[in-house]
Amino acid sequence: AQSVSQHNHHVILSEAASLELGCNYSYGGTVNLFWYVQYPGQHLQLLLKYFSGDPLVKGIKGFEAEFIKSKFSFNLRKPSVQWSDTAEYFCAVKPRGSQGNLIFGKGTKLSVKP
Amino acid sequence: DVKVTQSSRYLVKRTGEKVFLECVQDMDHENMFWYRQDPGLGLRLIYFSYDVKMKEKGDIPEGYSVSREKKERFSLILESASTNQTSMYLCASRRQGGDYEQYFGPGTRLTVT
Repeated sequence: AQSVSQHNHHVILSEAASLELGCNYSYGGTVNLFWYVQYPGQHLQLLLKYFSGDPLVKGIKGFEAEFIKSKFSFNLRKPSVQWSDTAEYFCAVKPRGSQGNLIFGKGTKLSVKP
Repeated sequence: DVKVTQSSRYLVKRTGEKVFLECVQDMDHENMFWYRQDPGLGLRLIYFSYDVKMKEKGDIPEGYSVSREKKERFSLILESASTNQTSMYLCASRRQGGDYEQYFGPGTRLTVT
């Protein structure tokens, strides 16, 4: 069965620190990959997505993610976090071209200390 | 902008009550989804619908049913609410075809007492 693993449940950083959130998936075929973010009290919104092409994708608010096919990974990065990045981050995977559903990881809560 | 709206942000119901959660999207999306979100468990799919009057069970359908009589509206029904259904419920929609992003509503925090 397909699954998504997010390595960290809760990450605490100081402002200006660099961020990397891990995401690995298990699926043998071609996939679409997503990172969603949920700010406190707000709805889930798309941070970035990878469908094809350049494996390094840039999203909103300075986030980027790199798809490494050989490692089944899609890690999220940001060079310098801000207090406003405090949120929960979800990685999601979907087999490409299918009617299938998004498979979500369990989420990583990021707390940024001012 | 895609809008997915949910009828209530907060809802408190008693055990045994029948509960309706409504979701409406305004972008003519064929696919609609209901998830529940619990701390440490992420998002789990309850039911989804590819088109009007069509529904498919997700990963955790027990205790829930759904209704999709119109394309823009997808309802989640708790036939007899129980305390273990206290959760955040998220609705989402997506264009047919597969390679499109999914848009989420603001969520309904349901408490069953």
